[in-house]
Amino acid sequence: DTEVTQTPKHLVMGMTNKKSLKCEQHMGHRAMYWYKQKAKKPPELMFVYSYEKLSINESVPSRFSPECPNSSLLNLHLHALQPEDSALYLCASSQGEGWESYTFGSGTRLTVV
Amino acid sequence: AQKVTQAQTEISVVEKEDVTLDCVYETRDTTYYLFWYKQPPSGELVFLIRRNSFDEQNEISGRYSWNFQKSTSSFNFTITASQVVDSAVYFCALTTTSGTYKYIFGTGTRLKVLA
Repeated sequence: DTEVTQTPKHLVMGMTNKKSLKCEQHMGHRAMYWYKQKAKKPPELMFVYSYEKLSINESVPSRFSPECPNSSLLNLHLHALQPEDSALYLCASSQGEGWESYTFGSGTRLTVV
Repeated sequence: AQKVTQAQTEISVVEKEDVTLDCVYETRDTTYYLFWYKQPPSGELVFLIRRNSFDEQNEISGRYSWNFQKSTSSFNFTITASQVVDSAVYFCALTTTSGTYKYIFGTGTRLKVLA
């Protein structure tokens, strides 16, 4: 299995809702990432988990809460989002941090209304 | 400062034409890694190539080739005999040994290959 699977593919949520994005990989990768991508922009790093521990938080607002329950799974919990948070949320994984290539999922297209 | 510049925002070519996507990078580190990723309309970024700073050999993979030149801080990507399936956004990225190995992405080049 050489894929990163993200669910759901599309999500529409209100500003008072609580929802979660899910990411799964079974490649034995030890680093997992959340990126946010706005239209016509490059991906922006949000969080990095290395060996199931949060190693990088790019000063992301607390309305985004990451979780890594095990080495294969990464969640992003969303609460009280703003319309400007609407974006493509990409999950990625790599063997470890650093210079390796990433395997990306196809993303969750989030719309906040 | 570390930076990746992809000056070409959008390129349109007719199928079977060759096209080169430019990437210029800035870093003071002596050890660094350069990448190209392809993002088709489906959304996922697909890894194409990684080069480290000590390996200036050019690489060819099928219709794809890469020209790494440290003297000009460039890592350009050429598609030969382009096809409609090559239509995508292409990102060049840099990571270095200083700090936390985070990717620094260029702004991307949107390639449209017309039939």
